Amino acid sequence: GAGVSQSPRYKVAKRGQDVALRCDPISGHVSLFWYQQALGQGPEFLTYFQNEAQLDKSGLPSDRFFAERPEGSVSTLKIQRTQQEDSAVYLCASSPAGDNEQFFGPGTRLTVL
Amino acid sequence: AQSVTQPDIHITVSEGASLELRCNYSYGATPYLFWYVQSPGQGLQLLLKYFSGDTLVQGIKGFEAEFKRSQSSFNLRKPSVHWSDAAEYFCAVGDITGGGNKLTFGTGTQLKVEL
Repeated sequence: GAGVSQSPRYKVAKRGQDVALRCDPISGHVSLFWYQQALGQGPEFLTYFQNEAQLDKSGLPSDRFFAERPEGSVSTLKIQRTQQEDSAVYLCASSPAGDNEQFFGPGTRLTVL
Repeated sequence: AQSVTQPDIHITVSEGASLELRCNYSYGATPYLFWYVQSPGQGLQLLLKYFSGDTLVQGIKGFEAEFKRSQSSFNLRKPSVHWSDAAEYFCAVGDITGGGNKLTFGTGTQLKVEL
C-alpha cells in the first residue's frame, strides 16, 4: 500500500517568508510525528499527534513553528517568518495504534535564503 | 532525558567484510531501541527493533543487533557487507511515557563500501 507522503519535496524560501509543509500519513495510522533533520545530524523530534490531538510539542524550537492535524489524518507543519537556521529536512512519520514502529516519509528539504 | 551516542561518524569496509556499528544509549527504564537506514534522498527505513525478550534481534537485509543492558549498547552487525549497504545508519531510543513513541536519534554513521 501507499506509504507516508510529504509535499513539497523541496522548498526554497526567502528569509521572513511563511511556509507550510504537508504530510499524508498511512491511512488509518493514529499517531503522527514531525522531526527536523539538520545537515549532518540525526532527526530531532518536533511534535506528536494522536488522531487530531497534539499531545507533545516540546520539540518545536520557537513559537514560529506550528503544527496541526485537524481531522486526524493529514498534518501541516507551518513555519512563520523563516530564518536561515530553519534550513533542514523535515520528516514526517506515522504509526498505527498500539505499535511503536514509525514509518517515515521522504521528507521536505527546506532551504531558507 | 534519553540520549544516543554513535561514536563512529564514518566507517569504510570492503565488500564481503563484516560490519559492526556502535550505539550507546542513556535511558532511565527498559529502552525501546531501533536501527534505521537512510539512503540519499530517501526517508528512514527501519532495519530492526528491540522491545523485550531475546537480546539478539534479527532484521531485514541480513542485519542483526544485540542489546547489552550492562553496557547500555545496541550494536548493529552484518556478517558480509554488500555494496548496496552504503548509506547512513541511525540508532534511536524510544520514549513512550508521553503516550506516543518519541524517538531520540544518534548523529548517524556514514557507511562507505569499497568494491
